[in-house]
Order: sequence, then C-alpha cells, then structure tokens
Amino acid sequence: AQSVTQLGSHVSVSEGALVLLRCNYSSSVPPYLFWYVQYPNQGLQLLLKYTSAATLVKGINGFEAEFKKSETSFHLTKPSAHMSDAAEYFCAVKNGGNQGGKLIFGQGTELSVKP
Amino acid sequence: NAGVMQNPRHLVRRRGQEARLRCSPMKGHSHVYWYRQLPEEGLKFMVYLQKENIIDESGMPKERFSAEFPKEGPSILRIQQVVRGDSAAYFCASSPKQGNFYEQYFGPGTRLTVT
Repeated sequence: AQSVTQLGSHVSVSEGALVLLRCNYSSSVPPYLFWYVQYPNQGLQLLLKYTSAATLVKGINGFEAEFKKSETSFHLTKPSAHMSDAAEYFCAVKNGGNQGGKLIFGQGTELSVKP
Repeated sequence: NAGVMQNPRHLVRRRGQEARLRCSPMKGHSHVYWYRQLPEEGLKFMVYLQKENIIDESGMPKERFSAEFPKEGPSILRIQQVVRGDSAAYFCASSPKQGNFYEQYFGPGTRLTVT
C-alpha cells in the first residue's frame, strides 16, 4: 500500500529564508508524486508533480522538489520565502497502475512566514 | 475556461437531515474524485466516478453516503441523516483522463457544518 509522511505539521521561517518542507513516501511501484498548496478556505492548487521524467522538478511560485529514490523522499524547497507563501502544503502520491488514480495525501504542513 | 465548481460553498444541516453537495468538473473532464478533509487533518479519498459509473468507492463510509455522476449534470455527493462527525470540508477534483500522469484539479470545497 502507498503512503505519505510529512515531517513537521508546522514550519516557521523568516521572510527571505530557505523553505524546506519534508515528504517521505512508501510505494511498491514507481510513484507519481505531487505537492499541493491550500490557502485558507480555498481548494488545493498544484505546485508541481513528479512523473519520472526528471528527478528535480520545478513548479510554480519558485518552488521545486527533488525525487530521491534511495531516501524515498520528495522534499519541497524554495530558496527565499515570501509572506504570500504562508499556507498549508500537502504532499501526495498517486495510486499505482492506470486504474483509479486516487491521491493519497500526507497530513499537511502549515508554513508560517515571519516578517 | 472555468475551473471545478462546487456548490454550495457552505452548508449547515441539523442532525438527521440530508446534505447534497454538487460538483461540476472542468470542461472536457469526465473523471471526478471526492475527498473529505476533517478538521486538522489531511484530505482522504472517498470515491472516484466517471460518467454514470462508480469506479472506486473504497473510501466511502458504508452507510449514509452515496455518490453519482449522471450523464448530464453535476456529480452529487449525498449524505443522509447527517451526524456531527460529518462536519468537514468536502472537495471535488476532476481530471481529463484516468492514469497516474494526469493531475487532478480541485474545486474550492463545500464546508459542511452539522449542528
């Protein structure tokens, strides 16, 4: 069975500092991995996705994530945090195979950005 | 091109009443997924539907919950005889095709409060 673990339910950084949100996955098949962002009282917006084409994936708003098979990780980073990055971030893995395709989400990490 | 639409955005029901949540997928999308987000938790998959078919309902509670996606009209998530524990945000997502490569686009959610 596939699963996702996000380390740290709350992360706080200063504006301009590096953002690092951790995600580890468990999958018996090559995974498809996603990072979504959720702003208060809104739906989820896709930041980036890994589909085995390249291990370093660039997304929107300056975010990127690196797939590391040996560490079963897909951590999300951004070199310089902006106040507008404050939100909840979810890592997700897609159900294996070509049937279904439900997303399995981590518990989420709330990012706070201090001025 | 309008995104995924959900209505109502907020729904208040008394215990024992029925709740109907609607989801209109993005234009051209025929795959719909429903997820539930309980307070302080991540999103949990409920059901995956294509037009007139339920493909995967492994996340649906055994009783009181049902979903449909008719040939014409929106997808409906129906909760009968609601209880306080049903209070949550319900998100719908749509995808153009099935399979791991295709991302899911999320609606803004319906926040259900059971009093």
